[in-house]
Amino acid sequence: EPEVTQTPSHQVTQMGQEVILRCVPISNHLYFYWYRQILGQKVEFLVSFYNNEISEKSEIFDDQFSVERPDGSNFTLKIRSTKLEDSAMYFCASNKAKGSRNEKLFFGSGTQLSVL
Amino acid sequence: QKEVEQDPGPLSVPEGAIVSLNCTYSNSAFQYFMWYRQYSRKGPELLMYTYSSGNKEDGRFTAQVDKSSKYISLFIRDSQPSDSATYLCAMIFPGYSTLTFGKGTMLLVSP
Repeated sequence: EPEVTQTPSHQVTQMGQEVILRCVPISNHLYFYWYRQILGQKVEFLVSFYNNEISEKSEIFDDQFSVERPDGSNFTLKIRSTKLEDSAMYFCASNKAKGSRNEKLFFGSGTQLSVL
Repeated sequence: QKEVEQDPGPLSVPEGAIVSLNCTYSNSAFQYFMWYRQYSRKGPELLMYTYSSGNKEDGRFTAQVDKSSKYISLFIRDSQPSDSATYLCAMIFPGYSTLTFGKGTMLLVSP
């Protein structure tokens, strides 16, 4: 089965540093997402991306966050100046079609971000 | 008011047991309901998807939705040790693509 690939699996950074989390969505998918899960908390939506622009974003996704699809395959999440509370597992996801039926959303295995 | 509530567990059962996992929600605008399974250090994996009240069956799994009570359930028959994971309910508003997740229930099936 096709997979969403995320790198690195674990990222440790100092508070205030910039981090870039990388994802390779499934090749024929058109919609891309970032979710995060703070330890012991719910999986939370951050942002969705389609046709090279953000289509939806949550309150969490403030000016410190940005997303990019720099080429035809990668999808990145950048955090400009990390804070301690950004420590979480970040999941990338993709699917073929948006919509109320939210066709099967494929998640990657996540990047565990630890901000020290 | 929290939108989606789920008992975190852990729920421990012996192999072969019938498992019942539940979620309640507060916003009646949710129209589409999913159950995801999440193994340790992995991303969520879609198990079941439904959009109408009633039951939907897929192998050993049955998803049940009661929109009038704002209550959804996942039943697992003949549970296996490989079913040990965290089960997340998730919901979506019509016209949107973002999921609202419950906190997840950890299930442990012992051989």
